[in-house]
Amino acid sequence: DVKVTQSSRYLVKRTGEKVFLECVQDMDHENMFWYRQDPGLGLRLIYFSYDVKMKEKGDIPEGYSVSREKKERFSLILESASTNQTSMYLCASRDQGQSSGNTIYFGEGSWLTVV
Amino acid sequence: DAKTTQPPSMDCAEGRAANLPCNHSTISGNEYVYWYRQIHSQGPQYIIHGLKNNETNEMASLIITEDRKSSTLILPHATLRDTAVYYCIVRSLSGNTPLVFGKGTRLSVIA
Repeated sequence: DVKVTQSSRYLVKRTGEKVFLECVQDMDHENMFWYRQDPGLGLRLIYFSYDVKMKEKGDIPEGYSVSREKKERFSLILESASTNQTSMYLCASRDQGQSSGNTIYFGEGSWLTVV
Repeated sequence: DAKTTQPPSMDCAEGRAANLPCNHSTISGNEYVYWYRQIHSQGPQYIIHGLKNNETNEMASLIITEDRKSSTLILPHATLRDTAVYYCIVRSLSGNTPLVFGKGTRLSVIA
């Protein structure tokens, strides 16, 4: 089974702190994604990466950056956390194989509270 | 990617079949229909996908109309653990852009 692992399930951070959210996938997928999910707003794409050292902005990249130094790992960085970044963060990776139908697999989510 | 329309919520009695509809009238020829679900406080989970033929796997069946403008996800014997938000998404197989999730259908399975 495909596994997407997010390093922290629950975090509480202070305003202004630098926050790292780590994500690792074990299926050699090239594409990886970071979303955030808020009540009433659904899933919104923050950043994605087609391959190592490549990154593309999603719909709401402001206040975030990402790092993809290795294929299996995609990190989301909050340079200076703010209370409006309190949310659930979801990492995903995509299998682009024809037989798998371009399926996306999600991690369990990281609940971040900024106080 | 084509837009989809789903009812905001549905109820289903435990043990009965849950039929979740999705309209995608602007679907194009190379676009697939995907279904995901999200159980509260967890990441979305892939369920099934199809192009034009009906599909079945261990989780569900997908029925796509002949004109491909709508589809139905069927959970044959719904359990309480199937209570979740179900998302219908349309996109091409070769597309390199991320999935866009709408608001989905909140399915409540009732004992």
